[in-house]
Amino acid sequence: QITLKESGPTLVKPTQTLTLTCTFSGFSLTTTGVGVGWIRQPPGKALEWLAVIYWDDDIRYSPSLKRRVTITKDTSKNQVVLTMTNMDPVDTATYFCAHTSWAFGELLYWGQGTLVTVSS
Amino acid sequence: SSELTQDPAVSVALGQTVRITCQGDTLRAYYASWYQQKPRQAPVLVFYDKNKRPSGIPDRFSGSSSGDTASLTITGAQAEDESDYYCSSRDISGGLLFGGGTKLTVL
Repeated sequence: QITLKESGPTLVKPTQTLTLTCTFSGFSLTTTGVGVGWIRQPPGKALEWLAVIYWDDDIRYSPSLKRRVTITKDTSKNQVVLTMTNMDPVDTATYFCAHTSWAFGELLYWGQGTLVTVSS
Repeated sequence: SSELTQDPAVSVALGQTVRITCQGDTLRAYYASWYQQKPRQAPVLVFYDKNKRPSGIPDRFSGSSSGDTASLTITGAQAEDESDYYCSSRDISGGLLFGGGTKLTVL
């Protein structure tokens, strides 16, 4: 059974750096073709893809956020970490992590999401 | 920049067929994936690649593609299909794009 769960602060101040951790089970990020991505969704708005990291350390970022976002993995802990710098109130959103495949790019398994509010 | 365009809202009578579309240049090169999202829940993948439906997804959900447009068809819509639907596709940089979402109402 594949599960993913996001963890991190629920409230950050403007200009601070957000660090979110995705802890997963049921698969390994050393398996060929496997990746973990991050997606966010502001309240009442659409999904926005942020970043993905694959088993071979291939990393892709959203062009609009690439200067602010970093994604890393710790295969020994089954974790993927997303950091986002210079947080702003417009970054208030539910942040999801999801299992993906390099072959098709589908997001088959999702975490429950974590709401991050940016406010002073 | 690349983008995927969806109709904001679509309605369908109970038991009828509805098509939800997604338009974008990247769809000429890549198949779309489709997600169903109910309020306060994570999205659920309902169709992807040319013809793949995840386990547990009813076969009334199907996908197709032509040119720069991908479609999700629900044949015999049920009340529980009332949700937001999002398409996604790879973009030329190897990342992903999401459409703006379509709110489906089942009448």
